[in-house]
Amino acid sequence: KQEVTQIPAALSVPEGENLVLNCSFTDSAIYNLQWFRQDPGKGLTSLLLIQSSQREQTSGRLNASLDKSSGRSTLYIAASQPGDSATYLCAVNEDSGNTPLVFGKGTRLSVIA
Amino acid sequence: DGGITQSPKYLFRKEGQNVTLSCEQNLNHDAMYWYRQDPGQGLRLIYYSQIVNDFQKGDIAEGYSVSREKKESFPLTVTSAQKNPTAFYLCASRRDSGNQPQHFGDGTRLSIL
Repeated sequence: KQEVTQIPAALSVPEGENLVLNCSFTDSAIYNLQWFRQDPGKGLTSLLLIQSSQREQTSGRLNASLDKSSGRSTLYIAASQPGDSATYLCAVNEDSGNTPLVFGKGTRLSVIA
Repeated sequence: DGGITQSPKYLFRKEGQNVTLSCEQNLNHDAMYWYRQDPGQGLRLIYYSQIVNDFQKGDIAEGYSVSREKKESFPLTVTSAQKNPTAFYLCASRRDSGNQPQHFGDGTRLSIL
């Protein structure tokens, strides 16, 4: 059974720092991987989706990488800002259909001004 | 604007009462999902539906029921059999073709009176 792990569970950094959030999954036979952001009391917002054939995706200050063979993905946030404070979740899609995503528990990020 | 609407935002349940959470999407997505989120536990899948008039149990379906009579709507009923219903409930949807991101509503917070 696929398991997704995100370490650390919480992270606090000063404003302006570049940071990396980690996501690992146990079964490398994935179709794609998605990173989400969740603000307190809100739903999840999709940030980036990486297809299994891709190595990375970029959106503004965010860059997500995928290494399928090692079962790892990272989310790189450049020049962090207090507005980046949120919980970041990764999820893997195991096939091309609509089987449910498998989610990690998230990393709670605090960016201190 | 296209999106997922969950209502109500806050809901209170009395002992022995069934309550229904609404989820409507105008994204023309085929698949819809219900998750429960408790502090420190991440997202847990309750039910999902890949097509109208069909749905499958997730990891924690006991005490819940759903229907999918229309493509746009996937209501969740929390029955009196669910002894610990206090949680944040999230509805999501996704298009029926592989590399499409999953979208979420803003959630309903259910509490016991």
